[in-house]
Amino acid sequence: EADIYQTPRYLVIGTGKKITLECSQTMGHDKMYWYQQDPGMELHLIHYSYGVNSTEKGDLSSESTVSRIRTEHFPLTLESARPSHTSQYLCASRAGTGYEQYFGPGTRLTVT
Amino acid sequence: AQTVTQSQPEMSVQEAETVTLSCTYDTSESDYYLFWYKQPPSRQMILVIRQEAYKQQNATENRFSVNFQKAAKSFSLKISDSQLGDAAMYFCAYRRRGGSEKLVFGKGTKLTVNP
Repeated sequence: EADIYQTPRYLVIGTGKKITLECSQTMGHDKMYWYQQDPGMELHLIHYSYGVNSTEKGDLSSESTVSRIRTEHFPLTLESARPSHTSQYLCASRAGTGYEQYFGPGTRLTVT
Repeated sequence: AQTVTQSQPEMSVQEAETVTLSCTYDTSESDYYLFWYKQPPSRQMILVIRQEAYKQQNATENRFSVNFQKAAKSFSLKISDSQLGDAAMYFCAYRRRGGSEKLVFGKGTKLTVNP
C-alpha cells in the first residue's frame, strides 16, 4: 500500500464544531488532492495543491479550506461542521511526472 | 467539460469466469490518460490499469486488460479468471495531459464475485 495516511479514520461530531482532517504522505509528492465521496458514489475533487503554498478549489464547491505549508502535509479544515458535510473524504497524492494518484484510506465524517 | 460514464451500477461474476466493465467518456482533447481504479470495501483505492491515449495497443496487467476504442471514446475493463478478492467498486477515470491534470471519475460499478 502507498505511504499516504489520513487521521482520523472515523469522526462523529456535533454541528458547529471546528474540525481538521489530517493527510500526510512520505513519498515526496508535490501534487496533493482532496476528494469528497458519498457512499457508493463517485469522487468529487474539492481541493488540490501543486506544491508548498499552492492551493486551488476543485470542481465541487466546498465550505472547507486547506493549507500546504509543508510538502508532506495537506490538512483540510471545516470551521463549522454541518450535517450536510457528512461524507467520506479521501486524500491523494501524485509525483509531478508520475501517472498514478495514490489514495489514503479516507476519513468517514458524520456530523450530528 | 470532460465527463466519464459507467452505465453498469452493479455487475456480478462467478469465480474463475470473465467479466467486462464498461466506460465511456467525452472529451475534445487528443492527449489524455484513462485509468481504472479499484476500491475494496473499507480499503484504500488502488490503481488497476492505465492507458495513454496516444498508444493504440491495449494495456494489460496480469488478469486485467482494457479495450480502448479512441474514436468511440470507450474504455472497458476485462477481468479474467475472476477471484473473490476482485470484489470491489471499480471507477473509470480520465485525466487530460497538461493543464490542471485533474482526475474525472465515473460513478463506479460494484462488482460482486460469487464462489
